[in-house]
Amino acid sequence: QVQLHESGPRLVKPGETLSLTCTISGGSIGNYYWGWIRQPAGKGLEWIGRTSSSGRTYYNASLETRVTMSVDTSKNQFSLRLSSVTVADTAVYYCARDSYEGIHWGQGILVTVSS
Amino acid sequence: DIDMTQSPSSLSASVGDRVTVTCRASQSISRYLNWYQQKPGKAPKLLIYTASDLESGVPSRFSGSGSGTDFTLTISSLQPEDSATYYCQQSFSNPRTFGQGTRVEI
Repeated sequence: QVQLHESGPRLVKPGETLSLTCTISGGSIGNYYWGWIRQPAGKGLEWIGRTSSSGRTYYNASLETRVTMSVDTSKNQFSLRLSSVTVADTAVYYCARDSYEGIHWGQGILVTVSS
Repeated sequence: DIDMTQSPSSLSASVGDRVTVTCRASQSISRYLNWYQQKPGKAPKLLIYTASDLESGVPSRFSGSGSGTDFTLTISSLQPEDSATYYCQQSFSNPRTFGQGTRVEI
């Protein structure tokens, strides 16, 4: 059973870049799409985007100008960078394995944008 | 983008009740519809994938149906541990989109 674990700074200043890493255990990063989804407190789920193990990416158009996703196959990890953050980017960020047969989720990490 | 609309937004039911949540897509998504359960402070959990396939380990009281634009999640006999928010999600195209959620209270 694949397990996903998010890591990274939990506090980011406005205007800076949010950077998160997801480590995959119990499975290989190959042959799947891997993505990020976020959820502000008390709100619904927002799909940020996904990347293949070969680096093919799809981003939500609402975030596309600020988002970069990448893969490190040697470490079985993938990453999210979100630039120029504002308080509106405060949310729980989930990494996930994203396929036609649904999403398998990490536990999530709360990232707060505040000065 | 494909809009996903769930109804109702919330419901209250009793243990043993049959509960139905519906999800409508703004265009046909074939059977690429998934259902999730989320409890407070936890990550969503996949219940049903491709409209009607039960994820391993999920109790058989959960079932899904539908195709095209209209889908249903049914809990055949509601249990206390089913108190949660339920989301539908389409995996037909990018961007993936979610319904707004249905809160089930017992």
